[in-house]
Amino acid sequence: QMQLVESGGGVVQPGRSLRLSCAASGFSFSTYGMHWVRQAPGKGLEWVAVVWSDEISKYYADSVKGRFTISRDNSKNTLYLQMDSLRAEDTAVYYCVKDVWIDEYKLTDFWGQGTLVTVSS
Amino acid sequence: EIVLTQSPGTLSLSPGETATLSCRASQRVSSRYLTWYQHKPGQAPRLVIYGASIRATGIPDRFSGRGSGTDFTLTISRLEPEDFAVYYCQQYDWSAALTFGGGTKVEI
Repeated sequence: QMQLVESGGGVVQPGRSLRLSCAASGFSFSTYGMHWVRQAPGKGLEWVAVVWSDEISKYYADSVKGRFTISRDNSKNTLYLQMDSLRAEDTAVYYCVKDVWIDEYKLTDFWGQGTLVTVSS
Repeated sequence: EIVLTQSPGTLSLSPGETATLSCRASQRVSSRYLTWYQHKPGQAPRLVIYGASIRATGIPDRFSGRGSGTDFTLTISRLEPEDFAVYYCQQYDWSAALTFGGGTKVEI
């Protein structure tokens, strides 16, 4: 069955960097766009970034543009999020999310369990 | 930028009752890109409804979605204990961004 397993979260000081990974299995990873979505403690869901299946087309939320880089390695079925210049407001659970077209419908249909990033001195 | 506003923030109901959740967009949203998720603490969000009204695989028929334009509704009939969770609406933006509503907590 489909699996998305995030890793790489932890506690990091403000201004430092962290790289998250998401290992995909159970589906043809290279065929689908992939997103990162985060949820700060006690808050709702916030979209972070997307990378399409071509590994080239990428889009970012304004809140992370210039600091975060999304990438993927289709040969390893893995999605990444490089997070630089981290701020306290980046503290959140980060989810890896699969994108899909179903007929004429565009949606995200499967989420990982998430990995917690805490930015604190 | 489209803003999704969900109401109410919290819905206190008992098993067997009906939950009606609202998602209102600040401007017109294509129904094809309107999705509902269920989220329980410590778990991955789960797809419930896509295309505003189509139940995802494995979702029981007590869940139904409707709406168009700027007003969308998720209805959960005959609430079961496992239905108590936070529900988010989401729309897919033309720029490939995802926009989420603030969520509605359905609690006992």
